Amino acid sequence: KNEVEQSPQNLTAQEGEFITINCSYSVGISALHWLQQHPGGGIVSLFMLSSGKKKHGRLIATINIQEKHSSLHITASHPRDSAVYICAVRDEKLTFGTGTRLTIIP
Amino acid sequence: NAGVMQNPRHLVRRRGQEARLRCSPMKGHSHVYWYRQLPEEGLKFMVYLQKENIIDESGMPKERFSAEFPKEGPSILRIQQVVRGDSAAYFCASSPPISGRATRNIQYFGAGTRLSVL
Repeated sequence: KNEVEQSPQNLTAQEGEFITINCSYSVGISALHWLQQHPGGGIVSLFMLSSGKKKHGRLIATINIQEKHSSLHITASHPRDSAVYICAVRDEKLTFGTGTRLTIIP
Repeated sequence: NAGVMQNPRHLVRRRGQEARLRCSPMKGHSHVYWYRQLPEEGLKFMVYLQKENIIDESGMPKERFSAEFPKEGPSILRIQQVVRGDSAAYFCASSPPISGRATRNIQYFGAGTRLSVL
């Protein structure tokens, strides 16, 4: 059973700051997802990656398969980035981390 | 191209009633996943279905819960004789078909159904 840990659990930052959210897992996987859950509860898939790095706008996701670790970065953070960010790893099925609650203060 | 559609968005049931949650996957997607998010907890996998087949139901409670994805129509998650502990957000996700297992496909999530059991 894969154990997925995210850090930090809560993060508050000023608008414009560079944000990093970390995810570690215990067992080898085929892919890792980063999801965003808005305050209203809806979930958006941000990235799926199995190696290296992906970038979409101000969001960057990296993964190190050997170290079983992934990071999600947000550059020039904005209050609309406030949400819960969830890491999910895929072996046979998705196993989710408990999420990181990000609050960006104007 | 509409996204994953779930309905209803909010469902209120009294203890002992049945809850039926619907999920229409994105057009062209033949893989459907159901997840449950209990209050103050993370998402947990429940079941993975393809058209007319349950592929993996290892996350489903053994009693009262069932899921189907018929040839025509939406996927249905059915909870019989609901109890207060069933109150949660239920999310559906879909992914497109690929050869072999869909282990590398990104999943697209619906907005969820919030079930409240009184």
